[in-house]
Amino acid sequence: RKEVEQDPGPFNVPEGATVAFNCTYSNSASQSFFWYRQDCRKEPKLLMSVYSSGNEDGRFTAQLNRASQYISLLIRDSKLSDSATYLCVVNEEDSSYKLIFGSGTRLLVRP
Amino acid sequence: ETGVTQTPRHLVMGMTNKKSLKCEQHLGHNAMYWYKQSAKKPLELMFVYSLEERVENNSVPSRFSPECPNSSHLFLHLHTLQPEDSALYLCASSQDRGGGPETQYFGPGTRLLVL
Repeated sequence: RKEVEQDPGPFNVPEGATVAFNCTYSNSASQSFFWYRQDCRKEPKLLMSVYSSGNEDGRFTAQLNRASQYISLLIRDSKLSDSATYLCVVNEEDSSYKLIFGSGTRLLVRP
Repeated sequence: ETGVTQTPRHLVMGMTNKKSLKCEQHLGHNAMYWYKQSAKKPLELMFVYSLEERVENNSVPSRFSPECPNSSHLFLHLHTLQPEDSALYLCASSQDRGGGPETQYFGPGTRLLVL
């Protein structure tokens, strides 16, 4: 079983749509969770951290479900510029350094 | 953005060549990382340096040799690579404060092709 599992997509949605991605992780002891965004042929960039209470940043909402070991990302009112690959990232237990990356979910927002 | 820079951006090398990848961070961070990203595979952590000491070495073949001369610079020395080593090599940095994982900032990567 992969340590961090994501649906590769692509999710193809029209502008203005709401889209949600899920990610599951295998290590129940993981403590920190993130969503990164990676544009085509570019480096990953932090989109947002995911807190136990959930958090929202503008059109983006992240949720954590520890019992089921999954993390979600909701994007409301999709923009063309949201087209990218979204990487689910989980830290390895007891490590400040080791982040485990999912393979990513590709989002295509069409006009 | 020029927080983390990498050179070269593209590299083609033969299996008998020796080359080095360079990374420089301008963020005042104290931890630096090398990752490998192959097509349709997740990022794989290769090496971590914190305060110029190697703290992670993820069973990477010895044909990859990292060097961290100071907290701002990180190198990856390559020799006798294999075609399957062709990938995007990403450098990242973060500020280690001794707590949980900090945000890692990535460089643009070096796209490596081994012939």
